[in-house]
Amino acid sequence: AQSVTQLGSHVSVSEGALVLLRCNYSSSVPPYLFWYVQYPNQGLQLLLKYTTGATLVKGINGFEAEFKKSETSFHLTKPSAHMSDAAEYFCAVRDSNYQLIWGAGTKLIIKP
Amino acid sequence: SQTIHQWPATLVQPVGSPLSLECTVEGTSNPNLYWYRQAAGRGLQLLFYSVGIGQISSEVPQNLSASRPQDRQFILSSKKLLLSDSGFYLCAWSVLTSGRDTQYFGPGTRLTVL
Repeated sequence: AQSVTQLGSHVSVSEGALVLLRCNYSSSVPPYLFWYVQYPNQGLQLLLKYTTGATLVKGINGFEAEFKKSETSFHLTKPSAHMSDAAEYFCAVRDSNYQLIWGAGTKLIIKP
Repeated sequence: SQTIHQWPATLVQPVGSPLSLECTVEGTSNPNLYWYRQAAGRGLQLLFYSVGIGQISSEVPQNLSASRPQDRQFILSSKKLLLSDSGFYLCAWSVLTSGRDTQYFGPGTRLTVL
């Protein structure tokens, strides 16, 4: 069965600092992995996804994530945080029925 | 391009009243459609999904139901709301050509049951 663990329900970083949001997964099939972002009172927006091929995936808003099979991880990073990055971030993995299994989410707080 | 609409955006309903939330998708055909709920302090909970007209799969037993009367219309309903039905309801769609598993979300409906 597939599952997703996001470490840290809240992550706080200073503006301009590195953003690192952690996601670990388990999957019985080759994983398709996703990061979504949700701003307050809005729907979720796809940031990036990994299906096959290059393990470093670049997304919107300067975010990227690296698929590491040996570590079963898909951590999300951004070199320099901006105030507009404050949001909740969700990691997800596709299951064998093409449904998405979701992590609990991580709220990113940006300190001025 | 594809767009997804949800309405209403916000709703305040008394306990025991009925509910109808609507979701429509434009610019695509035969999408998979999904209803999710986010309760306060909780993550995303998949409620229903549909692979075609009249085909509904329920993920969680509850007093909610879903219907898909048209290809690009998905409705979430309840005959009698409970306090625990409060939350943020999200509709999403996916299609095979985009990698069937990539889901695109609507703006959501904030439901408060008093």
